[in-house]
Amino acid sequence: AQTVTQSQPEMSVQEAETVTLSCTYDTSENNYYLFWYKQPPSRQMILVIRQEAYKQQNATENRFSVNFQKAAKSFSLKISDSQLGDTAMYFCASISQGGSEKLVFGKGTKLTVNP
Amino acid sequence: ETGVTQSPTHLIKTRGQQVTLRCSSQSGHNTVSWYQQALGQGPQFIFQYYREEENGRGNFPPRFSGLQFPNYSSELNVNALELDDSALYLCASSLAGYTEAFFGQGTRLTVV
Repeated sequence: AQTVTQSQPEMSVQEAETVTLSCTYDTSENNYYLFWYKQPPSRQMILVIRQEAYKQQNATENRFSVNFQKAAKSFSLKISDSQLGDTAMYFCASISQGGSEKLVFGKGTKLTVNP
Repeated sequence: ETGVTQSPTHLIKTRGQQVTLRCSSQSGHNTVSWYQQALGQGPQFIFQYYREEENGRGNFPPRFSGLQFPNYSSELNVNALELDDSALYLCASSLAGYTEAFFGQGTRLTVV
């Protein structure tokens, strides 16, 4: 069974600064993917970034990047140049390939970007 | 290309009643998954449908059931509602074999 743990219930950052959200996971699968989703007050889950477990290179999407440590089963999200619109709940999630491709989510981190 | 749409957006039901939630998947997607998100928690997988067949189920009782139609839209039915069923219900569509899922805005169900 897969599990995802986010140990930071809430975080805050000043606008234009950098913040890192933590996530650890556990899985017995060899082929899996990791994701960070953003959920603003509008409630819709928006994919921020994804990482294939077989790739050693860390994924990057504009101001968002990850630090994927496979051996440590760690998958943190770094947000650079934080913007007010980044204020949201952030969920770390994993999915394994084969069979039912269900997402397993952590409990989330509430990020507030202060002006 | 249309996104994932869910209806209704909000719903209030009484304990013991039955409810049906609806989801229209993104154009071209053949797989629909449903998740329950309780307040302050991450989403929990309920079940997934692929080509009108259930393709995996989470730890939810049989009173949670679903359907997928030939156009790949889907319904989530919950019978004998309990207070603990109060949650945000999210639908996600994807294309089988691809891991990226696109979510709707959810249905907020309140059971009183």
